Amino acid sequence: GQQVMQIPQYQHVQEGEDFTTYCNSSTTLSNIQWYKQRPGGHPVFLIQLVKSGEVKKQKRLTFQFGEAKKNSSLHITATQTTDVGTYFCAGPFNDYKLSFGAGTTVTVRA
Amino acid sequence: EADIYQTPRYLVIGTGKKITLECSQTMGHDKMYWYQQDPGMELHLIHYSYGVNSTEKGDLSSESTVSRIRTEHFPLTLESARPSHTSQYLCASSERVGGPTDTQYFGPGTRLTVL
Repeated sequence: GQQVMQIPQYQHVQEGEDFTTYCNSSTTLSNIQWYKQRPGGHPVFLIQLVKSGEVKKQKRLTFQFGEAKKNSSLHITATQTTDVGTYFCAGPFNDYKLSFGAGTTVTVRA
Repeated sequence: EADIYQTPRYLVIGTGKKITLECSQTMGHDKMYWYQQDPGMELHLIHYSYGVNSTEKGDLSSESTVSRIRTEHFPLTLESARPSHTSQYLCASSERVGGPTDTQYFGPGTRLTVL
């Protein structure tokens, strides 16, 4: 079963606003990865976090790994229409497989 | 952009047909994966491989089979397609065997419709 949970499942955002999506694991993770899937497309790797409390930024995207390495967040500032898509977090569980969360699907109102 | 390819990109087929979805990568990656994804939904791992002659079933039960005779090639076969198999099938690969989980590179996917 799914071991990585994401909330919210859907995020409707006004263009220019900020929002955060959260990822929670039932167990401590060695690392967490984030992927973005545009509508009709395939998942594309965004970033990997490894260290406890790690924070990484990619332009308007800020990724954080929790101190206990059981949760992560993605914060997007000044949302743009190019941010539309589904954001997945993923963590390794057993045998070097990734467990993907259900994703947060983001829509943007212009 | 990663060098991982899937064919066909779209397939509409009748019930009972045998189909093979192709996946190839030119990165020399050891690990390869097949995921099933309904539109807007989560990814379900159906098969994976650590390397040549290695295949394992994933978390989601699937009536498909896979083979890994060459490092670069990981085809998925459905012996008898059914409407319940209608979905998007995503192939992915990653680099290292025996270490922490590595980044997965996804192909463009095959959208399968079984009538």
